[in-house]
Amino acid sequence: ETGVTQTPRHLVMGMTNKKSLKCEQHLGHNAMYWYKQSAKKPLELMFVYNFKEQTENNSVPSRFSPECPNSSHLFLHLHTLQPEDSALYLCASSQATATNEKLFFGSGTQLSVL
Amino acid sequence: GESVGLHLPTLSVQEGDNSIINCAYSNSASDYFIWYKQESGKGPQFIIDIRSNMDKRQGQRVTVLLNKTVKHLSLQIAATQPGDSAVYFCAENEGGVYGNKLVFGAGTILRVKS
Repeated sequence: ETGVTQTPRHLVMGMTNKKSLKCEQHLGHNAMYWYKQSAKKPLELMFVYNFKEQTENNSVPSRFSPECPNSSHLFLHLHTLQPEDSALYLCASSQATATNEKLFFGSGTQLSVL
Repeated sequence: GESVGLHLPTLSVQEGDNSIINCAYSNSASDYFIWYKQESGKGPQFIIDIRSNMDKRQGQRVTVLLNKTVKHLSLQIAATQPGDSAVYFCAENEGGVYGNKLVFGAGTILRVKS
């Protein structure tokens, strides 16, 4: 148990569906992250939130929409995805982003887009 | 044509032997490095970290070596056990405006033979 919980663990969706991924951290951290892990590429940073403010968008397509209502919760809203978006989506948290800090990861949501 | 997946290097070791996993990083300005372990069905798990003002750091059964001259990082695992079988990732902190932006390598598969 890393203190970072992601739901659902598995998700299958069609290209016209709208779904959301949820992440919650119980570590008292102030920064949260979304990473994408696919079979074709190394772990890719998608978004960074620091004290609820988005501080990094790594050129992610607009069909992925993050939301961070507070420092403990992070969502990734998905709509009109493509089959190539199928991947493991990992959430992570850290104490802050202002210094060198290790990230704590959740177990991920395995997403399949049909 | 169809894209191929990542072909990760694989290290096979006998149980009880020492393992050395290598990583080349790209950014000479990176000042913080981390090793993660990822088992099947789980998110990356922190193993050990090192800052750029050090060249060696030891943990429990693990040692990280940093050679900034050639931008090389290695992870040494002593007395490798079957439970060490996993994919190992190095990550470098490329910083950015808010200081914490971990960029991951492709990973190395470690297989421990009993």
